[in-house]
Amino acid sequence: GAVVSQHPSWVICKSGTSVKIECRSLDFQATTMFWYRQFPKQSLMLMATSNEGSKATYEQGVEKDKFLINHASLTLSTLTVTSAHPEDSSFYICSASAGGQPYEQYFGPGTRLTVT
Amino acid sequence: RKEVEQDPGPFNVPEGATVAFNCTYSNSASQSFFWYRQDCRKEPKLLMSVYSSGNEDGRFTAQLNRASQYISLLIRDSKLSDSATYLCVVNQGGKLIFGQGTELSVKP
Repeated sequence: GAVVSQHPSWVICKSGTSVKIECRSLDFQATTMFWYRQFPKQSLMLMATSNEGSKATYEQGVEKDKFLINHASLTLSTLTVTSAHPEDSSFYICSASAGGQPYEQYFGPGTRLTVT
Repeated sequence: RKEVEQDPGPFNVPEGATVAFNCTYSNSASQSFFWYRQDCRKEPKLLMSVYSSGNEDGRFTAQLNRASQYISLLIRDSKLSDSATYLCVVNQGGKLIFGQGTELSVKP
């Protein structure tokens, strides 16, 4: 149980284009989903927290107009990187929580984004 | 100062060795503590929670010292399959704050 999927697992796009990443909870309802970013040799950094049906809460320094998050259902959240640039190349990981203890987050396998 | 700091690593050890990882956190209001394991290009996976009384899971022992804001992980009889990056993670107000990670490489 508690499986989270992400799609795509990797994507290469050209600078200036937008990329959408999907995060799905496959066997539970995720009241809260989290989006993280990880650069090489660095820690996972929380970008935003989203609750189903509400606007996402972004961490300081994360541009909400550049990283659009939608959590329209209890099993799906999407992250859209708009007008991507090479510096947005990173490993994006989502996690989902069913609303239990805050640390009970189930992580997706991640999406590796490369912007050329 | 980083919120969660770990030994820089990498740690290169032979099979069977005992290895210890240290971690400190800056926010004394942190509520719960964990060690995660992350394999190359994969998502992090929960290894174990960390309690003040100390806890053990097979070859892995975790300790928490709230007064010193210090967390440790001890791996005994290390295996080749233990090679990974170990992440110290702190729960602050419902958010998981990750350390940079310490890379472990176990050699035959």
